[in-house]
Amino acid sequence: QSALTQPASVSGSPGQSITISCTGTSSDVGNYNLVSWYQQYPGKAPKLVLYGVTKRPSGVSNRFSGSKSGSTASLTISGLQAEDEADYYCCSYVGSSTLVFGGGTKLTVL
Amino acid sequence: QVQLQESGPGLVKPSETLSLTCTVSGVSISSYFWSWVRQPPGKGLEWIGYIYSGSSRYNPSLKSRVTISVDTSKNQVSLKLTSVTAADTAVYYCARHGDWEFDYWGQGTLVTVSS
Repeated sequence: QSALTQPASVSGSPGQSITISCTGTSSDVGNYNLVSWYQQYPGKAPKLVLYGVTKRPSGVSNRFSGSKSGSTASLTISGLQAEDEADYYCCSYVGSSTLVFGGGTKLTVL
Repeated sequence: QVQLQESGPGLVKPSETLSLTCTVSGVSISSYFWSWVRQPPGKGLEWIGYIYSGSSRYNPSLKSRVTISVDTSKNQVSLKLTSVTAADTAVYYCARHGDWEFDYWGQGTLVTVSS
């Protein structure tokens, strides 16, 4: 059960859009529409921002959107704001009732 | 509202057993899946395992050392991790499942493994 692959860091300027990728295999990301994304500020617990690849929990900004192509899921944040600067983690169901996280991506708002 | 609160010793000696409790309020633990997730200092998240209705599943890399249980009378979920080493030093979170995502999290508790 290997961790999903995310870029270590991404950056963007206010108002721009950024995309964070989450790459797995045909056995996990590619086989299930059960990818979730979490936002984490330093010293705080993670917060769910997307689930089921594309679904947003109540209260999460519609600037957050998700997609999947093959074995790669993506989180896109549009209209980037300073408050979006945080770490982002993807997580996928991998079968046999188990889950795996990505390594995390640090988003810097320039 | 749903609230989760982790508690337990902040310091555990190598080779001993780490024991943590997650006290849940605002919802019956019998109605949901509950997971433990950990995060070593400066590193990423790692799923440890979940429990639902007395049935549990664990991360294969930790399976031999982990036990997750519930006490429905106290609305608590517990974690035991045996034979700990410095590599088990982490912030430990309990989290509630929506489906196969975590929709509510505790604030986390730091456990340091050191003699």
